[in-house]
Amino acid sequence: QKEVEQNSGPLSVPEGAIASLNCTYSDRGSQSFFWYRQYSGKSPELIMSIYSNGDKEDGRFTAQLNKASQYVSLLIRDSQPSDSATYLCAGLSGNTPLVFGKGTRLSVIA
Amino acid sequence: KAGVTQTPRYLIKTRGQQVTLSCSPISGHRSVSWYQQTPGQGLQFLFEYFSETQRNKGNFPGRFSGRQFSNSRSEMNVSTLELGDSALYLCASSLSSGSINEQFFGPGTRLTVL
Repeated sequence: QKEVEQNSGPLSVPEGAIASLNCTYSDRGSQSFFWYRQYSGKSPELIMSIYSNGDKEDGRFTAQLNKASQYVSLLIRDSQPSDSATYLCAGLSGNTPLVFGKGTRLSVIA
Repeated sequence: KAGVTQTPRYLIKTRGQQVTLSCSPISGHRSVSWYQQTPGQGLQFLFEYFSETQRNKGNFPGRFSGRQFSNSRSEMNVSTLELGDSALYLCASSLSSGSINEQFFGPGTRLTVL
């Protein structure tokens, strides 16, 4: 069974710090990975996609992928209270369904 | 460009009833996936439609069904509702199907079964 594992948290970081969110996956055939942010009571919002090994940066967000270790991470620099949300990691392999982790709750303390 | 829309946003039903939820994807997107989200189970995949064909199906009972129309709009139906069907139902659209396809979620339909 394909699984994506995330630490449920909560992960608490002070405002201005770097938040590091991690995710591991079981399916070696997974080719694409996505990070979604979900505020309480809202639907998930796509914030990063990564398809190849290495780092991908977009503003304050950096996604990192290591296929050999089956590991994906999301770094949020200069964390703000508005970043407080649940972050969902998801992996995709071919035409099979997107597999989601259960999410990590991030709390940024002002 | 308009995002994914879902109707209705909220529903209250009683056990045994049936319900139909609607999803309109982003213009040009041909794939629609449906998910159930509950606090305990997280996001659970229901089914995916691409060009009016069900491409994938999750591990849900036959009471859950869906379809996609020629304009890519999709509906899902739940018959004989049970208390455990109370959840947020999300649909997500993508351009096509496959490994390099970002999925974008609608606002969801919150279903409460009494």
